[in-house]
Amino acid sequence: GAGVSQSPRYKVTKRGQDVALRCDPISGHVSLYWYRQALGQGPEFLTYFNYEAQQDKSGLPNDRFSAERPEGSISTLTIQRTEQRDSAMYRCASSLGGSGSRVDEQFFGPGTRLTVL
Amino acid sequence: AQKVTQAQTEISVVEKEDVTLDCVYETRDTTYYLFWYKQPPSGELVFLIRRNSFDEQNEISGRYSWNFQKSTSSFNFTITASQVVDSAVYFCALTDFNDMRFGAGTRLTVKP
Repeated sequence: GAGVSQSPRYKVTKRGQDVALRCDPISGHVSLYWYRQALGQGPEFLTYFNYEAQQDKSGLPNDRFSAERPEGSISTLTIQRTEQRDSAMYRCASSLGGSGSRVDEQFFGPGTRLTVL
Repeated sequence: AQKVTQAQTEISVVEKEDVTLDCVYETRDTTYYLFWYKQPPSGELVFLIRRNSFDEQNEISGRYSWNFQKSTSSFNFTITASQVVDSAVYFCALTDFNDMRFGAGTRLTVKP
């Protein structure tokens, strides 16, 4: 596609429910990143992939958070047993990558605004 | 550990004024990259510039310029003759091959 797309754009859920956030990167981009951005803060790194391989998941806050990119394209960030503190904007980005690092220009998606009641 | 500090939370200027956004970083690595991103009111993040740690040459792109000084660990961003469309939150970011950190951002408001 023309840019990075994310769905849903808005998600309201009740505490304790699981949510799955989807990211569709720019076609041909090797690297895909997930960030969380709280109101008034900069993006906070969660995890990233090169192709289908998860390179770094050190930013995932706890084991309720997981991500996958099974075919090296679309990625899903899953939050199990959501808590109110999980409420934030979740952003996905992609880059040409291929170098195994995260130093490339990243193209960001519009984000998914998650609200946990 | 890496750290990026944008001490200016909010800046307000009148159109046509010049404005400088500060970014100070900390890293133990000798190889790293610095970025600036713009987040307009619409919410998307837009890449502005990338600079690696071995290239201290300042860069100018239209009304935008960047001053990278390793001696003071700073990577400041200047907008010349600001315009209302420059109103946005600007983020500075630092990455090496193991981590990426964003600053908290500076909200710039340009008034007509």
